[in-house]
Amino acid sequence: DAGVTQSPTHLIKTRGQHVTLRCSPISGHKSVSWYQQVLGQGPQFIFQYYEKEERGRGNFPDRFSARQFPNYSSELNVNALLLGDSALYLCASSLIHNTIYFGEGSWLTVV
Amino acid sequence: TQLLEQSPQFLSIQEGENLTVYCNSSSVFSSLQWYRQEPGEGPVLLVTVVTGGEVKKLKRLTFQFGDARKDSSLHITAAQPGDTGLYLCAAIPNDYKLSFGAGTTVTVRA
Repeated sequence: DAGVTQSPTHLIKTRGQHVTLRCSPISGHKSVSWYQQVLGQGPQFIFQYYEKEERGRGNFPDRFSARQFPNYSSELNVNALLLGDSALYLCASSLIHNTIYFGEGSWLTVV
Repeated sequence: TQLLEQSPQFLSIQEGENLTVYCNSSSVFSSLQWYRQEPGEGPVLLVTVVTGGEVKKLKRLTFQFGDARKDSSLHITAAQPGDTGLYLCAAIPNDYKLSFGAGTTVTVRA
C-alpha cells in the first residue's frame, strides 16, 4: 500500500509569492496534519483536519491556510512568502487517535 | 520555550559504542513517543511509552519513561552506522497534535 505522498518534493519561491503543497493520506485515513520543520529543529504543528473540518491549528499566522477534500487529500497554502518560511513541510495521516504516519515532506526554499 | 527539551543536541560516536539520548519536560504527559528521521525523509515512529517507569526494548534500542511521566530516555547498545539519524521525542498534550523536541542528531562512524 502507498504511504503518505506529498508533492512537490522540492520547490523554490520568491518572497511575496504564494505556494500550494499537496498531500495524499494513506488509504482509509481520514485525519491529515501538517507540520513545519525548520533546519535543526523538530517539526512544529500547523493544522489538523478530520473529515474535511479543521480540528486544530498551531501558532502560525493567517498567511497559512489549509483544506481537506472529500477524498481526504489535503492542501497547505502559504501566502506572501517570507524567507523564514523556508522549511520542510511534512504531512501526516492517521486513523483518528492512532499512530501517525509522515510523508517524506516538501522542501520549500524562499529566496 | 520548548515543551520538550532534548539532550544532547549532537552526538557522534564510533560503531560499537553505546549512547543515551534524553527528553525532559516540566509537564506530565499521558504518553511520549520517539521517532527517528533520516535525511530526506519524514519521521518514523519507533515506540510509544504510556506507563510511568515503563521500559520498552526494540532490538538494540531501550526506551524508558520516567516514573513521574515527565521525562524519557533512549539508549542504543552497540551502535551501528544504520542508527545514524535525528532522534525526536514527542508528546501529545491534547488529542490532536504532536509536540516535538528539537531532536538529537546521532552520527555513528564506521
